[in-house]
Amino acid sequence: DIVMTQSPLSLSVTPGQPASISCRSTRSLLHSNRKTYLQWYLQKAGQPPRLLIYDVSERFSGVPERFSGSGSGTDFTLKISRVEAEDVGVYYCLQTLHLPFTFGPGTKVTIK
Amino acid sequence: QVQLVASGGGVVQPGRSLRLSCAASGFTFSSYGMHWVRQAPGKGLEWVAVIPYDGSITFYSDSVKGRFTISRDNSKDTLYLQMDSLGVEDTGVYYCARQSTTANFDYWGQGTLVTVSS
Repeated sequence: DIVMTQSPLSLSVTPGQPASISCRSTRSLLHSNRKTYLQWYLQKAGQPPRLLIYDVSERFSGVPERFSGSGSGTDFTLKISRVEAEDVGVYYCLQTLHLPFTFGPGTKVTIK
Repeated sequence: QVQLVASGGGVVQPGRSLRLSCAASGFTFSSYGMHWVRQAPGKGLEWVAVIPYDGSITFYSDSVKGRFTISRDNSKDTLYLQMDSLGVEDTGVYYCARQSTTANFDYWGQGTLVTVSS
C-alpha cells in the first residue's frame, strides 16, 4: 500500500501570514495518462472533509485563490498565501492512484 | 445541488451487524462511483470501500475486507454499506463520498456515527 506522510502535523499561523504543508508518498502518483492523483482536503471541526485541490494543483470550484498546490511524483505541497481565521482545521492529502486509496495523517492548522 | 445524506448509524454490540445508507440527490447517481470513508473518534480519515457507477466490482480496505459489503441501488439513488462482525475498532463516523470524473472525492455526506460497544 502507498503510505502518505505529512509535515508538519500541526501549524500555528498568524492571520495574514503564509502557511505551507508538505505531503509525501512512498510511490509516484503519476499515472501513464500524465495525471497525478493527489488531492488536498480540509476538514473543519464537526464537518465532513471538503475538496480543496485535485490533480496536484487544480483548485476545486469555490476554493479561494489563496490556496495553491504544487509538486510532482512523490513530493507535494499545499500553500496558503495569506491565512485567514476561517482556514483553521485539519488538512489531509489523499492519493487515488492505487487501491487502497490512502490519506495522510492530517495537519492541524490553528490561528495564533 | 448535490446532496448526500448518510443514515443508519447507531450503537451496536461487538459481533453484530449494521447497514448504512447514503441517499443521493441533485445529480445522476448512476453515473458516478461512490466511496465510504470512516473516521475513528479523534483520528484521521480512512478509506473503506469503493463501488463504480454500475456496481460491477467492489474494493475494500484490508481492515474491512470479508466483513463489509458495499452496494448500490441506482433505481433508488442510494449507496449502502453492510457491516458484519463489527468490532470496537469499527467505531467512528462513516462518510459517503462521490468520486468525480477526475478521481477525487468532490462531494461528501455529513456522516453517520457508528458506535460498537458492549
